[in-house]
Amino acid sequence: KNQVEQSPQSLIILEGKNCTLQCNYTVSPFSNLRWYKQDTGRGPVSLTIMTFSENTKSNGRYTATLDADTKQSSLHITASQLSDSASYICVVTSNSGYALNFGKGTSLLVTP
Amino acid sequence: GAVVSQHPSWVICKSGTSVKIECRSLDFQATTMFWYRQFPKQSLMLMATSNEGSKATYEQGVEKDKFLINHASLTLSTLTVTSAHPEDSSFYICSAPGTGPNQPQHFGDGTRLSIL
Repeated sequence: KNQVEQSPQSLIILEGKNCTLQCNYTVSPFSNLRWYKQDTGRGPVSLTIMTFSENTKSNGRYTATLDADTKQSSLHITASQLSDSASYICVVTSNSGYALNFGKGTSLLVTP
Repeated sequence: GAVVSQHPSWVICKSGTSVKIECRSLDFQATTMFWYRQFPKQSLMLMATSNEGSKATYEQGVEKDKFLINHASLTLSTLTVTSAHPEDSSFYICSAPGTGPNQPQHFGDGTRLSIL
């Protein structure tokens, strides 16, 4: 069964600190892995997409890593800002990229 | 970039009412759109795939007579929750696929449906 597990479920950090979110998956066959940011009451917004051959990708202060051998990914947020408070969702696609498997997300709260 | 517009963003209505949610692709054509449902602190759950000019494909366990989907044009898909009840209260999100398998889906901003 295709599964995407994210940890931690929730996280509170101080503004300016770094944090790392984890995603483990059992999706097969693997097509790509995506990280989305979802603000409360809004739709998800894409942060990064990585295919099998990519092991790191950055988008500003967000850096995603992928280890396709261990089926693990991480999202590192550098110098957090209050606006980073949101849910971060890991999505692993299969079937040539059109079958999406969603994680439950990590809820991040950045406090002053 | 590609934008998906969803309307309304918030609906509060009485039990038994039917509610229509619209999803529009603003600067591109979408032959396929996806409808998701999200409960608090849960992941998005795919309800159905909307196909322009043909019947929608529903996921297992989703009542097609309850959740009517119409994809009448290349830029508009609608989801109608018929005879809504409190248990239908949820966050409904639509999306359109990217231009290729390694392109991100474009999500609407969602519709918060509250049935009293």
